[in-house]
Amino acid sequence: GQQLNQSPQSMFIQEGEDVSMNCTSSSIFNTWLWYKQEPGEGPVLLIALYKAGELTSNGRLTAQFGITRKDSFLNISASIPSDVGIYFCAGLETSYDKVIFGPGTSLSVIP
Amino acid sequence: NAGVTQTPKFQVLKTGQSMTLQCAQDMNHNSMYWYRQDPGMGLRLIYYSASEGTTDKGEVPNGYNVSRLNKREFSLRLESAAPSQTSVYFCASSEFRSLFFGSGTQLSVL
Repeated sequence: GQQLNQSPQSMFIQEGEDVSMNCTSSSIFNTWLWYKQEPGEGPVLLIALYKAGELTSNGRLTAQFGITRKDSFLNISASIPSDVGIYFCAGLETSYDKVIFGPGTSLSVIP
Repeated sequence: NAGVTQTPKFQVLKTGQSMTLQCAQDMNHNSMYWYRQDPGMGLRLIYYSASEGTTDKGEVPNGYNVSRLNKREFSLRLESAAPSQTSVYFCASSEFRSLFFGSGTQLSVL
């Protein structure tokens, strides 16, 4: 079946640093979604991307839909302690309304 | 506006017992999903329902059944629970290709 790969698996950064993470797939997706999950909570939608090449921002977060439609990138600028959590990418097969998630990137921010 | 509501929040079962996880959404979304989350595995799709009256298998459907009772409700049933089904279960609904999640059900099968 389809699989999404996320890298890095985990990150430890200093407060104020910028963060980059990415998601790749062997298949083409029509939509890419980025989520953040904090302990004991469900994932919360951060950014949705609907078109190849699209670059979208949400505050300090910026995500891009790769031109090949097989990858996506998330950047966080000037990280703060509340950015701690697990970040998941997800790809959507529009024709089947089926959403597949990557294994996540765990982010830790050192004050 | 509650969004996606899951019950129960916690459940402990013995091997072989059955139970149903309930999910309801009040956003009038067409699509609903059940995922399970295990450490280091991310979220894996169990079943989904693109519209009322339809259901389809996801990545890991074995050992589960679902019912899309109406547009609001999508339940997940474990007929004979196994220890391998110990996990956190999330229900989600979607509209315009964005998923919104409930807060999860933590299930332990002993």
